[in-house]
Amino acid sequence: QSALTQPPSASGSPGQSVTISCTGTSSDVGGYNSVSWYQHHPGKVPKLMIYAVSERPSGVPDRFSGSKSGNTASLTVSGLQAEDEAEYYCSSYAGTNMQIFGGGTKLTVL
Amino acid sequence: EVQLVESGGGLAQPGRSLRLSCAASGFNFNDYAMHWVRQVPGKGLEWLSSLSWNSDSIGYADSVKGRFTISRDNAKRSLYLEMNSLTLEDSALYYCARGRSGYSSSLIDYWGQGTLVTVSS
Repeated sequence: QSALTQPPSASGSPGQSVTISCTGTSSDVGGYNSVSWYQHHPGKVPKLMIYAVSERPSGVPDRFSGSKSGNTASLTVSGLQAEDEAEYYCSSYAGTNMQIFGGGTKLTVL
Repeated sequence: EVQLVESGGGLAQPGRSLRLSCAASGFNFNDYAMHWVRQVPGKGLEWLSSLSWNSDSIGYADSVKGRFTISRDNAKRSLYLEMNSLTLEDSALYYCARGRSGYSSSLIDYWGQGTLVTVSS
């Protein structure tokens, strides 16, 4: 059960778009349409931003979008805002009632 | 409003046991799978275990399989994590979390604030 692979950091200026990747295997990301993304501000509770690869929960701005190709899922944040600066984690179902997280990506808004 | 409140964390010696609890409110607890996730301060999230709505389906991460036991009491709207044979590497903030459906395969949608476990001699 190795963690999904995310870049440790990403950055962009306000108004720009940034994409964070999440790479797994055919046993997790590639095998199921069950990928979620979480936003985690320090000292706060993680917040669900995307589920089922590309679905947005109610209340999440449409600036956040998700996609998947093969064994890699992606989170795109468009129109970056200062409050988007946070740690982002992907998660995937990995079969046999197991789940796995990515190592996290620190998004910096320049 | 979905609320998950963990308790039971604290200081434990290596090799000893600790039982975490999670009190749920604001939703029909009977209908949802539940999870435990931990985070070492400054590190990433680690999924530990999931339990289906009716306790029929359980999953564990390899790192805790055989040492940790997840359980629930739907009448008390509570989730538990029994942690045995604790090691220094088990020191972390432990989150209780809700699955998006009743199946233990469902990913997390809501999280508690966490309870801190420190394993030290």
